[in-house]
Amino acid sequence: KQEVTQIPAALSVPEGENLVLNCSFTDSAIYNLQWFRQDPGKGLTSLLLIQSSQREQTSGRLNASLDKSSGRSTLYIAASQPGDSATYLCAVRPRGRDDKIIFGKGTRLHILP
Amino acid sequence: EPEVTQTPSHQVTQMGQEVILRCVPISNHLYFYWYRQILGQKVEFLVSFYNNEISEKSEIFDDQFSVERPDGSNFTLKIRSTKLEDSAMYFCASSEQGERADTQYFGPGTRLTVL
Repeated sequence: KQEVTQIPAALSVPEGENLVLNCSFTDSAIYNLQWFRQDPGKGLTSLLLIQSSQREQTSGRLNASLDKSSGRSTLYIAASQPGDSATYLCAVRPRGRDDKIIFGKGTRLHILP
Repeated sequence: EPEVTQTPSHQVTQMGQEVILRCVPISNHLYFYWYRQILGQKVEFLVSFYNNEISEKSEIFDDQFSVERPDGSNFTLKIRSTKLEDSAMYFCASSEQGERADTQYFGPGTRLTVL
């Protein structure tokens, strides 16, 4: 059964720092991995999607990597800003007949001004 | 940019009442999904829907839940007799083709509070 784990659960860093969020998954048989942002009480905003054949994706100050064989992904945020404060969710689409996406619990990020 | 919309944004109901949560998926999408997130917990899959029928459902999606596409634009989730533990954020999502590599686009969610 696929499990997605995100460490740490919460992180506070000063503005301007580069940071890395970690995600691990137990079964490497996935179609893709996606990183989402969730603001308190709000919906899910897709940030980056990495297909299983890809190693990384970049969007602006965000870079996500995927090492499928080791079951790991990282989300790198460069030059963090207070507006980056949110919960970041990692999710995988398992291979097989399943339609569902399986989510981690998220990392709650707080950027200190 | 097209987006998934959901109404209402917040629904408060009494235990035992029926609720209908509404979603308008992106117009050219063919696959639709409902997920829920209990406060402080993971987002969990409930059900997927294609070609006017359920294609997959989780163990959470019991007989109290049903989904429907009543017309060409809306996709609804009905909870027949709400329980306290149904209080959660409910997210609708849609995807263009349903291929396993396809992106699911999520709506802003409906917060359901059962009293």
